[in-house]
Amino acid sequence: EAQVTQNPRYLITVTGKKLTVTCSQNMNHEYMSWYRQDPGLGLRQIYYSMNVEVTDKGDVPEGYKVSRKEKRNFPLILESPSPNQTSLYFCASTTGVHNSPLHFGNGTRLTVT
Amino acid sequence: DQQVKQNSPSLSVQEGRISILNCDYTNSMFDYFLWYKKYPAEGPTFLISISSIKDKNEDGRFTVFLNKSAKHLSLHIVPSQPGDSAVYFCAARRAGGTSYGKLTFGQGTILTVHP
Repeated sequence: EAQVTQNPRYLITVTGKKLTVTCSQNMNHEYMSWYRQDPGLGLRQIYYSMNVEVTDKGDVPEGYKVSRKEKRNFPLILESPSPNQTSLYFCASTTGVHNSPLHFGNGTRLTVT
Repeated sequence: DQQVKQNSPSLSVQEGRISILNCDYTNSMFDYFLWYKKYPAEGPTFLISISSIKDKNEDGRFTVFLNKSAKHLSLHIVPSQPGDSAVYFCAARRAGGTSYGKLTFGQGTILTVHP
């Protein structure tokens, strides 16, 4: 089954403790990205990657890192999480074909205390 | 600056009637528009899209209308069913360059369809 898989689904951590949220897709998509969803703001792009070793900032990149060492994986790294990073995070992927939609994972609910 | 806006946080409709969800945008560089549906504890799933060269696109019970001059689009669901109850996000994409994968989302509208 074609899908985007994120782990973990739920995560509670404390301020400053480094964490990684994994994302993997099995559709051979070139483009992958991370979004965060916050009430009243919709989804906002954090980082994106157009291919292996090619990453760039989205609209809200502060406090996040990413890497793209393999085509299928695109982990999101919070080196020193803060409470304002408490949010619902989604990984997404798409092909480079014109007008192809984004396919989303099921989300990771992160709470930073 | 919210470039894509859904001004109605919620909408309640009776089963069998029409649901109309609205979306406004400000960036004239957007050339492709999508609607996503999201159930609790799941990721957004693609519903329907429309290119800026069209003014209507239909897929079964779902129709999206685009009014470029007003920078407005709407999603019509006819007839509405209880299973349509979800959060609906409007999204837009800019033309060209590395923008093909980036979507700008509205705030979402919670649709509730009552039996």
